[in-house]
Amino acid sequence: DTGVSQDPRHKITKRGQNVTFRCDPISEHNRLYWYRQTLGQGPEFLTYFQNEAQLEKSRLLSDRFSAERPKGSFSTLEIQRTEQGDSAMYLCASTSGSRSEQYFGPGTRLTVT
Amino acid sequence: AQSVTQLGSHVSVSEGALVLLRCNYSSSVPPYLFWYVQYPNQGLQLLLKYTSAATLVKGINGFEAEFKKSETSFHLTKPSAHMSDAAEYFCAVSTNQAGTALIFGKGTTLSVSS
Repeated sequence: DTGVSQDPRHKITKRGQNVTFRCDPISEHNRLYWYRQTLGQGPEFLTYFQNEAQLEKSRLLSDRFSAERPKGSFSTLEIQRTEQGDSAMYLCASTSGSRSEQYFGPGTRLTVT
Repeated sequence: AQSVTQLGSHVSVSEGALVLLRCNYSSSVPPYLFWYVQYPNQGLQLLLKYTSAATLVKGINGFEAEFKKSETSFHLTKPSAHMSDAAEYFCAVSTNQAGTALIFGKGTTLSVSS
């Protein structure tokens, strides 16, 4: 299997701008997760998709955040009107079937100036 | 509710010494437990997992962990550290329900000196 890929790897944006990240899960993985990791912390869950359905959203996912997985394959995470507090590593993970473990991508590091 | 506590944000060992990274969990249901490793500017790589089978779990790169229900612990060990083991290690808890998100600890940075 090719692994989970994320694009871009790094993004620098000015406060107030919108940004969009993409995640391509491992082929045929039907479950996809987004996490956010800030400096010195472990990843924190943002949202979860099973196929194209968004089944769970964390309270961390404010109304400025939106995620989609339109065809049940790749997913996008959009942040509108970015704030400096949005600076973090955004990680995508995927899995399938009865597996409990999740496979992570390399992450997108967002810096808001 | 579930949570993970990793004792010690930074552990330093000499090359060849025993590695012990501590993880305690809290879970109202039988837990699934994981250790992941993260190298700088990379994603997380699964080291090993406990899913209610054998309590002593062997993983990649010579790591192992033991599930102790009475102590609510899942400590990670390696008999002999290598320089390449220097990284950040995360313990995570989940459940046996498909789709459950992982709850991570804050991580432990392992430094290995020659």
